[in-house]
Amino acid sequence: DAGVTQSPTHLIKTRGQQVTLRCSPKSGHDTVSWYQQALGQGPQFIFQYYEEEERQRGNFPDRFSGHQFPNYSSELNVNALLLGDSALYLCASSLVGRDGYTFGSGTRLTVV
Amino acid sequence: AQSVSQHNHHVILSEAASLELGCNYSYGGTVNLFWYVQYPGQHLQLLLKYFSGDPLVKGIKGFEAEFIKSKFSFNLRKPSVQWSDTAEYFCAVNERTSGTYKYIFGTGTRLKVLA
Repeated sequence: DAGVTQSPTHLIKTRGQQVTLRCSPKSGHDTVSWYQQALGQGPQFIFQYYEEEERQRGNFPDRFSGHQFPNYSSELNVNALLLGDSALYLCASSLVGRDGYTFGSGTRLTVV
Repeated sequence: AQSVSQHNHHVILSEAASLELGCNYSYGGTVNLFWYVQYPGQHLQLLLKYFSGDPLVKGIKGFEAEFIKSKFSFNLRKPSVQWSDTAEYFCAVNERTSGTYKYIFGTGTRLKVLA
């Protein structure tokens, strides 16, 4: 059990559509980070949320947006999907100011 | 910006062989270094981490890594691999900005251990 729950586990979408991925952090964690892991690549940082605000952002276009709720859970939204958005999307939770991450098992997004 | 390089993309070993996976990072300041493992279909798991102190770090499942500051390296080693070590291994550094951390990962090394 990873402690971080992501849903759904797999998703197939068509180019141009929009998608929402969900993450519930490990109990006691208040910070959620999202990563994109394309095939054959390491995870790439998308953004991080703390206190319901985006605190850091990686090199991803505005089509990628997120949200954090009062219960610390988070959503990742991707608009106008491209074929290149096909990847494993990982959520990681942590406690602010601490560097210990716990990763979820990810959502496998396939854009056709 | 920091970057992490893993030189071996695919490694194939027989059981009981010794393993060394290379990792180099770009940042010249104080770094925290990590090795993560991802077994097929599973989430990323922390193998070991280095913050400070003894540059030889021991992790779970018999893995260890050595931090060599002069070489900007943090290589992962295991004296004798098992079939169950078949997985993808990621080296990472973390970067602190405004009180929060983000991780920068290498591209990973896919290890296959033959029984």
